[in-house]
Amino acid sequence: AQSVSQHNHHVILSEAASLELGCNYSYGGTVNLFWYVQYPGQHLQLLLKYFSGDPLVKGIKGFEAEFIKSKFSFNLRKPSVQWSDTAEYFCAVKSNFGNEKLTFGTGTRLTIIP
Amino acid sequence: DTGVSQDPRHKITKRGQNVTFRCDPISEHNRLYWYRQTLGQGPEFLTYFQNEAQLEKSRLLSDRFSAERPKGSFSTLEIQRTEQGDSAMYLCASSQPASGNEQFFGPGTRLTVL
Repeated sequence: AQSVSQHNHHVILSEAASLELGCNYSYGGTVNLFWYVQYPGQHLQLLLKYFSGDPLVKGIKGFEAEFIKSKFSFNLRKPSVQWSDTAEYFCAVKSNFGNEKLTFGTGTRLTIIP
Repeated sequence: DTGVSQDPRHKITKRGQNVTFRCDPISEHNRLYWYRQTLGQGPEFLTYFQNEAQLEKSRLLSDRFSAERPKGSFSTLEIQRTEQGDSAMYLCASSQPASGNEQFFGPGTRLTVL
């Protein structure tokens, strides 16, 4: 069975600081990887996804993530955060073969201090 | 608004009562998913439809839970004899193969069982 670990439960940063949120997954086969964001009072939105090819993927709002297969990791990064990035961030994994369900991590709450 | 919609947004019920939630996917999305999210956790997969066929069910979906998608468009999730442990946010998502099966989420239905 697949699983996802997000070790940072709550991260507090000042504006303009750099961000890296960790995500590790457990699955023996080929996977698709996702980062979703949930802004306060809003529904889950896709930030970026990795299916295949270049392991460095760019998403919306200046976010990027790097898939490192040997480390089973898909960490999310942003060089300079803004107050509007305050939200909850979820990493998710999906098997590439037949199984359509997303398995989510427990999420990381990001608070940006102006 | 052409996103995924869910109704009701909030439901408060007494233990033992039955509840039904509705999800309207994005038009022409043939895949529809139900997830459950409790406080401090990421969404957990419940079930998935392709058109009207229910193709996958989680072990989380006990006998008290039933989901339908009779005409391959909207879906309903019914919980019979609700228990306090059923209190959660119930999320619906939809996707289509043409867009890489990216799952678009609705706002959710928050269920509180007293």
